[in-house]
Amino acid sequence: AQKITQTQPGMFVQEKEAVTLDCTYDTSDPSYGLFWYKQPSSGEMIFLIYQGSYDQQNATEGRYSLNFQKARKSANLVISASQLGDSAMYFCAMREGHQAGTALIFGKGTTLSVSS
Amino acid sequence: EAQVTQNPRYLITVTGKKLTVTCSQNMNHEYMSWYRQDPGLGLRQIYYSMNVEVTDKGDVPEGYKVSRKEKRNFPLILESPSPNQTSLYFCASGLGLGQFFGPGTRLTVL
Repeated sequence: AQKITQTQPGMFVQEKEAVTLDCTYDTSDPSYGLFWYKQPSSGEMIFLIYQGSYDQQNATEGRYSLNFQKARKSANLVISASQLGDSAMYFCAMREGHQAGTALIFGKGTTLSVSS
Repeated sequence: EAQVTQNPRYLITVTGKKLTVTCSQNMNHEYMSWYRQDPGLGLRQIYYSMNVEVTDKGDVPEGYKVSRKEKRNFPLILESPSPNQTSLYFCASGLGLGQFFGPGTRLTVL
């Protein structure tokens, strides 16, 4: 079974609209971290936001917020007021436990296209 | 400035010709790792290193070697590259929130 599932291969949104990118995860470890990365066409991986499994509040970073629903095992990324520069591939990732050496497990990504 | 550097950024080579992709970090991180990214598959870990002279396999280690002789460097070695190793490769340094990715190396094996 996939550990990280991103069901939307592509999303299209107009400037200034909000958009939600879906991510569900699967783990039996009570301690885990959830990450979102942005990959523009230039290829680099840009860290956006992090949510720890024990965090009580949803993480926010500027226009990015993470809608964390622990019981549903979902960690959706919400981008408010989309900008043209938000057009990119977005990856959800998880790290389980506190063990050193545990890899980030990535989803397959969602391509976001923002139009004017 | 904290950074992870990779070289080369782009490489086109032929089957069987040994190559090395270098990775260097300036943050004194103990943990470093290599990922490959393929369309529709996301990023998958190839190898990781928890410290100097300590390396271990990730999810897709076949066809790759690594070494960690110094803390700052973690080269990825393809002894006999094959076309199925055509991919975008990322070196990463640190763990969790402190993890930094390099800029990526786009490798094509003909």
